Amino acid sequence: GQQVMQIPQYQHVQEGEDFTTYCNSSTTLSNIQWYKQRPGGHPVFLIQLVKSGEVKKQKRLTFQFGEAKKNSSLHITATQTTDVGTYFCALRGEAGGFKTIFGAGTRLFVKA
Amino acid sequence: KAGVTQTPRYLIKTRGQQVTLSCSPISGHRSVSWYQQTPGQGLQFLFEYFSETQRNKGNFPGRFSGRQFSNSRSEMNVSTLELGDSALYLCASSLWTSGTGELFFGEGSRLTVL
Repeated sequence: GQQVMQIPQYQHVQEGEDFTTYCNSSTTLSNIQWYKQRPGGHPVFLIQLVKSGEVKKQKRLTFQFGEAKKNSSLHITATQTTDVGTYFCALRGEAGGFKTIFGAGTRLFVKA
Repeated sequence: KAGVTQTPRYLIKTRGQQVTLSCSPISGHRSVSWYQQTPGQGLQFLFEYFSETQRNKGNFPGRFSGRQFSNSRSEMNVSTLELGDSALYLCASSLWTSGTGELFFGEGSRLTVL
């Protein structure tokens, strides 16, 4: 079935450093979503990417969808302690076989 | 607008028992999906309901079942509980099923099986 690999599993950064998490698929995706889950919380939707090569920004967060629509990344510039949590990519719709498939998540630790 | 509401928030059961979890979606949302979250397996898709019909199902044994009511509220049931069923069970609602809509998650029901 459809799967998506997300790396790295963990990332420790010093506050102010950048952070990137990647999601990769062996097949072409129709769309990809990103969610953030704070420790002890529930996943919260961040963004959805649909178009090949799409780049979207939300303040310090930059989301990219690969040209071949097989990979995506989330980049955080100058991390802050409020960025701590786990970031998940998710496949929905036909790319996910009409199931919602989440990547394993990347847990971000930020040291002040 | 009220968010997704899940009850109970916490519960403890023993092996062999069964449990029913409830989820009330955001008003107007007709799609409800359920996920199991464990430290080792991450977020695993259980099933999705739209207009009282199960549209999609994940790779879980038949002990896991669910349903959706005409008011879009959903319940999931786990019978003959096993220790490995201990997890956070998350419910999410969205406007559309299996589409490109964002998921709105509830706070989850944390199940501990002893």
